[in-house]
Amino acid sequence: DTGVSQDPRHKITKRGQNVTFRCDPISEHNRLYWYRQTLGQGPEFLTYFQNEAQLEKSRLLSDRFSAERPKGSFSTLEIQRTEQGDSAMYLCASSLAGTSGNNEQFFGPGTRLTVL
Amino acid sequence: AQSVAQPEDQVNVAEGNPLTVKCTYSVSGNPYLFWYVQYPNRGLQFLLKYITGDNLVKGSYGFEAEFNKSQTSFHLKKPSALVSDSALYFCAVRPRTTSGTYKYIFGTGTRLKVLA
Repeated sequence: DTGVSQDPRHKITKRGQNVTFRCDPISEHNRLYWYRQTLGQGPEFLTYFQNEAQLEKSRLLSDRFSAERPKGSFSTLEIQRTEQGDSAMYLCASSLAGTSGNNEQFFGPGTRLTVL
Repeated sequence: AQSVAQPEDQVNVAEGNPLTVKCTYSVSGNPYLFWYVQYPNRGLQFLLKYITGDNLVKGSYGFEAEFNKSQTSFHLKKPSALVSDSALYFCAVRPRTTSGTYKYIFGTGTRLKVLA
């Protein structure tokens, strides 16, 4: 168990509904990342935070997606007006900012989203 | 475009035999290189990383990986496979850029099946 937790583990929703996922990183980690993984593919980067600042966003993150990390601890990822193409596993990861910046990312178990 | 290739969707190996899971990358500069393993209903687990130095790096569970700069490859190896090594393996690359990106670029994964 890496210590990164995600909630819920599974979410089934109808097209057009909003959903929100939560990630709790390893407590001393100040970097937090969101990835999306579809069947048969590797994870794709969505966004990352250092403390509470969102420092990078992928072009995959459309305007229906928003992520926050208000106090530099847990993070939420919200998808508005869900579409069937949003069905995927949403992974959260965290890492410690080291002096050389190469500390590995530790991943949570993921939230599997199914949009009907 | 930056990319990571894992040319084999599946690798089958007999228990006790050596195994190799291949990874090549197309990323400018000298990226950081990682291997992760994914078991069913579990998050990605870190195995090992290459940052600099010796081309052969050792990691968890007896795995090692060989970095080859001229071939831009980072193949995962193990001298003697176990049935419990059966899982999905992902190669990941973190580009070294002046902008300081921390995102990983993942391959599509290779399913390893170790036969008893």
